[in-house]
Amino acid sequence: DAKTTQPNSMESNEEEPVHLPCNHSTISGTDYIHWYRQLPSQGPEYVIHGLTSNVNNRMASLAIAEDRKSSTLILHRATLRDAAVYYCILRSPFYNTDKLIFGTGTRLQVFP
Amino acid sequence: EAQVTQNPRYLITVTGKKLTVTCSQNMNHEYMSWYRQDPGLGLRQIYYSMNVEVTDKGDVPEGYKVSRKEKRNFPLILESPSPNQTSLYFCASSLLGGDSPLHFGNGTRLTVT
Repeated sequence: DAKTTQPNSMESNEEEPVHLPCNHSTISGTDYIHWYRQLPSQGPEYVIHGLTSNVNNRMASLAIAEDRKSSTLILHRATLRDAAVYYCILRSPFYNTDKLIFGTGTRLQVFP
Repeated sequence: EAQVTQNPRYLITVTGKKLTVTCSQNMNHEYMSWYRQDPGLGLRQIYYSMNVEVTDKGDVPEGYKVSRKEKRNFPLILESPSPNQTSLYFCASSLLGGDSPLHFGNGTRLTVT
């Protein structure tokens, strides 16, 4: 099963950009890269996903390395509400298996 | 409103007393899954289901059962709960496919004494 590696924690100041890295060296050619975040006392929520090209949405941007062995979630201007645990996972497009491995994620602290 | 609903939100029980945590989704999703979350261990998958009557083990299935008789419901059953199953549990659902986002419930905090 493909796994991801993330730093345990990161810090940022409010209104600064944040780059959250994820390594997934065993990614297969068809796995999608997903990012979720978990605010205190809540369930995880979807942030963004991508396959090969960089992706942008209203919450964040996802930069995917050319060899796809790593990716970076970019929060362009961190706010206090972005303080959360961020998870990077891989999801296979094949319907015969969908065993998703979340790991421990990166705890992001944002300081005013 | 599209949502995944778990019940109850909090549950305190005693060792050995069978319990069921319910999970229901209103988005017609084929895929449903259960996770447990413990301090320092992150989210670990217990069981998942890719459609009605199709279930498979995740990383930590011991001590748990699931069933998928209807598309919208995916209950988690603890036949004989033990204190090491004290945890925060999350249910999730999605369409099938690698590009389908997961939708999570708000969690069930279970304490087994």
